[in-house]
Amino acid sequence: RKEVEQDPGPFNVPEGATVAFNCTYSNSASQSFFWYRQDCRKEPKLLMSVYSSGNEDGRFTAQLNRASQYISLLIRDSKLSDSATYLCVVNPQSSYKLIFGSGTRLLVRP
Amino acid sequence: GAGVSQSPSNKVTEKGKDVELRCDPISGHTALYWYRQSLGQGLEFLIYFQGNSAPDKSGLPSDRFSAERTGGSVSTLTIQRTQQEDSAVYLCASSSEDTQYFGPGTRLTVL
Repeated sequence: RKEVEQDPGPFNVPEGATVAFNCTYSNSASQSFFWYRQDCRKEPKLLMSVYSSGNEDGRFTAQLNRASQYISLLIRDSKLSDSATYLCVVNPQSSYKLIFGSGTRLLVRP
Repeated sequence: GAGVSQSPSNKVTEKGKDVELRCDPISGHTALYWYRQSLGQGLEFLIYFQGNSAPDKSGLPSDRFSAERTGGSVSTLTIQRTQQEDSAVYLCASSSEDTQYFGPGTRLTVL
């Protein structure tokens, strides 16, 4: 089983739609969680950290479910510019080595 | 506040040749990582440097791969006797605490 698993997608949604991605992780001792965004042929960039209490940044909401070992990313009012691959990232034990999921691809159509 | 820079941005080489890829991390970041990303795939961890500690080389795929970090700053990833399966984007990242900041990558093509 992979340490971090994501549905590769693609998720194809119209502008304005709400879309959600889940990511599961295998190490129950994992401490830190992140969502990164990667545009085509570009480097990954931090989108947001995921806190135990959940956090929101504009149209983006991230949540953590420790009991079920998954994190989620919700995007409201999708924009064309949201089209990208979203990488789920887990720090297994407060170590330096982050584990990256393979990413979920989102396509927002006009 | 310059970000992480990498050079070259693209490298085309012939099978069997050696290549060197360079990474300049964000000033003040003590941690530096190298990753490899093949087309349509996730990030594959290669090596990690932290300050003066011994690097974690556990992700290097073979002994043809090596990396150095001089003076706690610039890092060079060297691939000897390149093979076609080495073709990928090589990404460098530096970090402050948990957050990793990536460079634009070097796209390596081995013919």
